[in-house]
Amino acid sequence: QVQLQESGPGLVKTSGTLSLTCDVSGHSITSDNYWSWVRQPPGKGLEWLGQVLHGGPTHYNPSLKSRVTISVDKSKNQLSLTLSSVTVGDTAVYYCTRNGAKCLDHWGQGTLVTVSS
Amino acid sequence: EIVLTQSPGTLSLSPGETATLSCRASQSVSSTYLAWYQQKPGQAPRLLIYGASSRATGIPDRFSGSGSGTDFTLTISRLEPEDFAVYCCQLYDDSHLYTFGQGTKVEIK
Repeated sequence: QVQLQESGPGLVKTSGTLSLTCDVSGHSITSDNYWSWVRQPPGKGLEWLGQVLHGGPTHYNPSLKSRVTISVDKSKNQLSLTLSSVTVGDTAVYYCTRNGAKCLDHWGQGTLVTVSS
Repeated sequence: EIVLTQSPGTLSLSPGETATLSCRASQSVSSTYLAWYQQKPGQAPRLLIYGASSRATGIPDRFSGSGSGTDFTLTISRLEPEDFAVYCCQLYDDSHLYTFGQGTKVEIK
């Protein structure tokens, strides 16, 4: 059974860098699946940030492309996210996901990150 | 960028009734790339439907998806108390971009 668990600081200062990791169990991060990050500001809809394939391409949401980096660490079976130059608008619940057939078939429980000065 | 518009914003129904939710794309898309999710308060989204009409593992058959081109529908037959939630459609396009609709809330009348 695939399980994903996000972790990282719950509070980040404005203009700083947000860094999160996602521990994956029950499935190899080096498989043929893409892995994504999605976020959801409080009370709002979902926004896809980007996806990575181990040993393959990375794709980012053009609205965030210059600030976001997604990577995998096969030694830890872990996915990571960094988002630079954060503002209060980056406050959200951040989810990691496994990608299925053009969809996101397994999700972590999410972690709330608040950006504040 | 293709925009997904969901309607209605809120649907008020009673248990046992049928919910019909709409997701309209700003241009024609492949049904292969259209999915639906359910999200309850404080929980992560759960995949319900992929490829516009295929149920994900463990999803009851009262959930069904249909549509093509620009118009897609999620139908929930015989609403159960646990079905009252927010439902969101999602598109994956040829630019490797995932886009979500704004969601439809199904609430108890």
